[in-house]
Parts: sequence; C-alpha cells; structure tokens
Amino acid sequence: IAGITQAPTSQILAAGRRMTLRCTQDMRHNAMYWYRQDLGLGLRLIHYSNTAGTTGKGEVPDGYSVSRANTDDFPLTLASAVPSQTSVYFCASSEAGDPGGEQFFGPGTRLTVL
Amino acid sequence: GQNIDQPTEMTATEGAIVQINCTYQTSGFNGLFWYQQHAGEAPTFLSYNVLDGLEEKGRFSSFLSRSKGYSYLLLKELQMKDSASYLCAVMDSNYQLIWGAGTKLIIKP
Repeated sequence: IAGITQAPTSQILAAGRRMTLRCTQDMRHNAMYWYRQDLGLGLRLIHYSNTAGTTGKGEVPDGYSVSRANTDDFPLTLASAVPSQTSVYFCASSEAGDPGGEQFFGPGTRLTVL
Repeated sequence: GQNIDQPTEMTATEGAIVQINCTYQTSGFNGLFWYQQHAGEAPTFLSYNVLDGLEEKGRFSSFLSRSKGYSYLLLKELQMKDSASYLCAVMDSNYQLIWGAGTKLIIKP
C-alpha cells in the first residue's frame, strides 16, 4: 500500500441499509478525516480523528459514525442510509500538530442511496 | 458564518496566464490552502500560505492578503493538463479546513 486506500470504489445502496466505508493509510499519520463532496458545494467535514482512540464531529456528522481503533484505519459507518447521503466520500490524513501540513486524500467512494 | 467564495468556472487559452481568486470570512485563520482536483479524482495539494505575500512554486504561485481576506492562485504557461478544479480552503481557529466549492478551469487550445 502506498498512501491512502478506500473501499469500495463505488456502491449502490438501498435506503435503510447499513454501510461501512473503509479507509486505510500507511503513512503513520496521526490525523484522519472523512469528507463528503457534492456538486456545487465544497468538501464538508463529517468526522475527524486527531489520534488513535479519539474522534470528533465535523460540520455534517448526523447519520454517520466513525471509530479509530488504530493509527492506520478509520472506517465510516452509515447506520441507516438515506438518499441525501448520496455523495462522493473522501478519506484524508495528515500529520497532527502541523497546521501547514497538507492533507493526503484517498481516491474516494462514490455512494448512491436509492 | 464561515464562507469561502471563488468563481464557479473560468476559461483560458493554452500558454496563457490565469488568476483564480478566493475570498474568505472565517472564524480565525491558520493558513490558506490551494488544491487541484481533476475530474473523478482526489484533491492534491498545491500550496499553503499563512503570511501575506506571494509564494512561487514553478508555474504556480499563490498570494495572500490576510487584511483583505483574499487570496489568488496564478497559473502561468497553461497546459491542457491544467484543466481541473481548483479548491481554496482556509484553516479556521479549530484547525479544521473550510472549503470553497472550487473553480473549474477549462483550457482551450
């Protein structure tokens, strides 16, 4: 692995179903993030984690949950998907404590909820 | 509220120069980032400004004026591969990035 990987690449999901988006990084970054990107809107932060064992809520956390059991993995779970959660989801990571540090992004997961 | 404004779309000619503007109003300021995003791909880092002035990096330069809440990204010697969206993002007082909607740059031969 080099950088950040996300799975699945794309998914079509029935409303009401539970879904976990996976994210793994091999850069040993402490900070990780989940964003959603919708047409005409900027990236919006869903949840973040500054270090393993801690998580925080971003701008649009409702309907989503995360966990950070170790440094490498940061899964995002939709407990009961709704059509408004149709979006492209990006996972990112960065060095914590470095405000100027760039965020590295995974390739994204395109999710459609019907 | 927090707000990042940038033009939705711009068109330029191969070999020319283009300036993409970004204005912001945020709760606190810990730096401004520019990212490039090709269609269907992830954003990639271009530049970071935290002090006023111009930062030059090859064909790309980024300018910041904190007193005016203003930044621009300058792209010189445009190439077809520069066709992409350019995202402006500000790090706020909580060290979270607030993102603009992005500027889609179309390069014509």
